[in-house]
Amino acid sequence: GEDVEQSLFLSVREGDSSVINCTYTDSSSTYLYWYKQEPGAGLQLLTYIFSNMDMKQDQRLTVLLNKKDKHLSLRIADTQTGDSAIYFCAETSTRGGYNKLIFGAGTRLAVHP
Amino acid sequence: DTEVTQTPKHLVMGMTNKKSLKCEQHMGHRAMYWYKQKAKKPPELMFVYSYEKLSINESVPSRFSPECPNSSLLNLHLHALQPEDSALYLCASSQDASGNTIYFGEGSWLTVV
Repeated sequence: GEDVEQSLFLSVREGDSSVINCTYTDSSSTYLYWYKQEPGAGLQLLTYIFSNMDMKQDQRLTVLLNKKDKHLSLRIADTQTGDSAIYFCAETSTRGGYNKLIFGAGTRLAVHP
Repeated sequence: DTEVTQTPKHLVMGMTNKKSLKCEQHMGHRAMYWYKQKAKKPPELMFVYSYEKLSINESVPSRFSPECPNSSLLNLHLHALQPEDSALYLCASSQDASGNTIYFGEGSWLTVV
């Protein structure tokens, strides 16, 4: 089946690292994504990782993928108040050759001074 | 340029009105999508267009009618909507419909009164 789970809320102090975790079920997903949604805005593609990679780093963002455990994490280094948002993990489910993104419920990240 | 542009940003319509949401991308992508996002929920797929042909309809009621006039444009025609259809409607695109990175627009906030 298709299911993506993530914790609903994370609170961190400004300057600390944030780690948002996600588990997924579709082992055939080619890409796994992290999207950011600020209040009143659309989805911003933050980063993605191809399924044959273990890690991807992009400036303050580090994505770790454990395919065996179907676990994905997003680490934000030096978290800032501007990072406060909802972060959605998503897996791709391919049906009949067509892409479908399956989203987790979203993790609300609150950054406090 | 990874921009998907949606208009209008906000729309209020009555239950007897006919209106349309518009989406445009100039990235040469050949797959375009409509997603619906209710408050405090993740986005859910409505339609997938691949090479201007409707490929996936996720059992969406016929009061939502998608149209893809050309490879850059995607419309969603709305007629006889219900208040429960009020949501954020997100357009997205990808290079093709099988396993590529999907980029979202800022969304159109729809309120049905």
